[in-house]
Amino acid sequence: AQKVTQAQTEISVVEKEDVTLDCVYETRDTTYYLFWYKQPPSGELVFLIRRNSFDEQNEISGRYSWNFQKSTSSFNFTITASQVVDSAVYFCALSPVSNSGGGADGLTFGKGTHLIIQP
Amino acid sequence: ETGVTQSPTHLIKTRGQQVTLRCSSQSGHNTVSWYQQALGQGPQFIFQYYREEENGRGNFPPRFSGLQFPNYSSELNVNALELDDSALYLCASSSWTGPYTEAFFGQGTRLTVV
Repeated sequence: AQKVTQAQTEISVVEKEDVTLDCVYETRDTTYYLFWYKQPPSGELVFLIRRNSFDEQNEISGRYSWNFQKSTSSFNFTITASQVVDSAVYFCALSPVSNSGGGADGLTFGKGTHLIIQP
Repeated sequence: ETGVTQSPTHLIKTRGQQVTLRCSSQSGHNTVSWYQQALGQGPQFIFQYYREEENGRGNFPPRFSGLQFPNYSSELNVNALELDDSALYLCASSSWTGPYTEAFFGQGTRLTVV
């Protein structure tokens, strides 16, 4: 069974502060994908990043960075110099790598972290 | 915008009724997945359709069923609605071009069962 844990239910910081969202996962699969999605109040899930379990290199995209550590089963997300527009619910998700027709067998999501950036 | 559209955006139904939710996939995508997101929770995988056949299912009862059409649009049907079915229903489309597919989500349909 797969499981994703986002222990931080809600985080509130002042604009321009750095903030890290934690994600811990459990899976018996040897190969898998990890994701981060952003969900603004409109409800649509916005894709942020995908990481293959083979690739443990950290990634930076503008103010966003991700730290994948397979040894601790963690895939943390850091926003540097946060902005009010970053306010949203952020979800970490896990998917097996499937070669069956149709690709991924569904994403397993955490419960999300509600990030509030105060001006 | 992702190009994935869902209708309707909001819906109110009475317990015991049946409901059909619709999803138009992004152009070029042949796989559709449906998720249920209860208030304050993460999305939960209901099922996935690939080339008009269900090829993956989460832990949902048979009264949750679906269809995928030749143009890859999709429907989610829920029979005998229960109060706990109240949730945001999200559709995601993707394209299977190898072992990995990336899912793009629609804005969701918020279903309220009273």
